[in-house]
Amino acid sequence: KQEVTQIPAALSVPEGENLVLNCSFTDSAIYNLQWFRQDPGKGLTSLLLIQSSQREQTSGRLNASLDKSSGRSTLYIAASQPGDSATYLCAVIPYNNNDMRFGAGTRLTVKP
Amino acid sequence: DAGVIQSPRHEVTEMGQEVTLRCKPISGHDYLFWYRQTMMRGLELLIYFNNNVPIDDSGMPEDRFSAKMPNASFSTLKIQPSEPRDSAVYFCASSSRTGAREKLFFGSGTQLSVL
Repeated sequence: KQEVTQIPAALSVPEGENLVLNCSFTDSAIYNLQWFRQDPGKGLTSLLLIQSSQREQTSGRLNASLDKSSGRSTLYIAASQPGDSATYLCAVIPYNNNDMRFGAGTRLTVKP
Repeated sequence: DAGVIQSPRHEVTEMGQEVTLRCKPISGHDYLFWYRQTMMRGLELLIYFNNNVPIDDSGMPEDRFSAKMPNASFSTLKIQPSEPRDSAVYFCASSSRTGAREKLFFGSGTQLSVL
């Protein structure tokens, strides 16, 4: 059974810092990996989707990498801003079904 | 498009009562997913539909849970009878074409409290 782990569970940084969030998964037979953002009391917003054949995806200040063979992904946030404060979740989906497995998330706080 | 719309946003009920959660997916999306989020278990897939047909309901915890999708623009998740352990945030999500292999679009969720 696929297990997705995110470290750290919480992170607090001063505004302007670059930071890295980590995601690991136990079964490398994935179709793709998505990073989501969740604000308190809200649903999830998809930030980046990396296909299994890709190594990274970029959107603005966000860069996500994928090393499928080692079962790891990172989300890099450059020049963090208070508006980046949220919980970030990674999720993987296997080849043979639509059962997306989520990590527990990293709660990020960016202090002004 | 207004996105995925869920109602109600909050539901407080007493144990034993029937609860119905509603979802309107994004127009044109072929897949609809129901998830449950709790502190203890995180996000779990309950059931998903493709073209209004239930494909996988293996995540539905018990027979007390049922889901329907009578047409492409509406789905319900029903709990009867409800129990305190059903308290959670229930999310609906939709996507196009190949289901969860595409970007998922989530609703704002229904916060369910069973007393």
